[in-house]
Amino acid sequence: KQEVTQIPAALSVPEGENLVLNCSFTDSAIYNLQWFRQDPGKGLTSLLLIQSSQREQTSGRLNASLDKSSGRSTLYIAASQPGDSATYLCAVSPASGGSYIPTFGRGTSLIVHP
Amino acid sequence: GAGVSQSPRYKVAKRGQDVALRCDPISGHVSLFWYQQALGQGPEFLTYFQNEAQLDKSGLPSDRFFAERPEGSVSTLKIQRTQQEDSAVYLCASSLGSRGLSDEQFFGPGTRLTVL
Repeated sequence: KQEVTQIPAALSVPEGENLVLNCSFTDSAIYNLQWFRQDPGKGLTSLLLIQSSQREQTSGRLNASLDKSSGRSTLYIAASQPGDSATYLCAVSPASGGSYIPTFGRGTSLIVHP
Repeated sequence: GAGVSQSPRYKVAKRGQDVALRCDPISGHVSLFWYQQALGQGPEFLTYFQNEAQLDKSGLPSDRFFAERPEGSVSTLKIQRTQQEDSAVYLCASSLGSRGLSDEQFFGPGTRLTVL
């Protein structure tokens, strides 16, 4: 069974810092990996989707990398801002045929203070 | 519509009541997922539809949970005889692809269910 772990569970940083959030998974046979942010009381917003054949994806100040063989993904946030405060979740979808069930991590709760 | 919508946003039920939660996916999206999210946890898979076909319901916690998507668009998650442990946020997501996760998942705002 796939297990997804996110470290750290919580992070508080001053505005302007560059951040790295980590996601690790136990089964490297994945189809893709997706990073989301979730604001309190809200649904999930998709940030980046990395297919298993890709190494990284970038969107604005966000960069996500994928090392499938070692079971790791990192989300890099450059020049953090208070508006980045949210919970960041990663989700891994399996490569095995017929299974559509993604596995989510528990998230990293990020606070960026002015 | 512009995104996935869910209704109601909040639902308070007395233990034993039946509830129905609605999800309107993005128009044209083939795949639809339901998830349950407890406080401080990631979403847990409940069930998956491809158009009107329910391809996987292995995540439904008991036979009190039932989901349908009769015309391949709007979906309803029904919980019968609610229990306190059913209290959670129920999230709906849709994606364009037929594989399910071949495309990005887009989530609705969720329905927060509280069972007293």
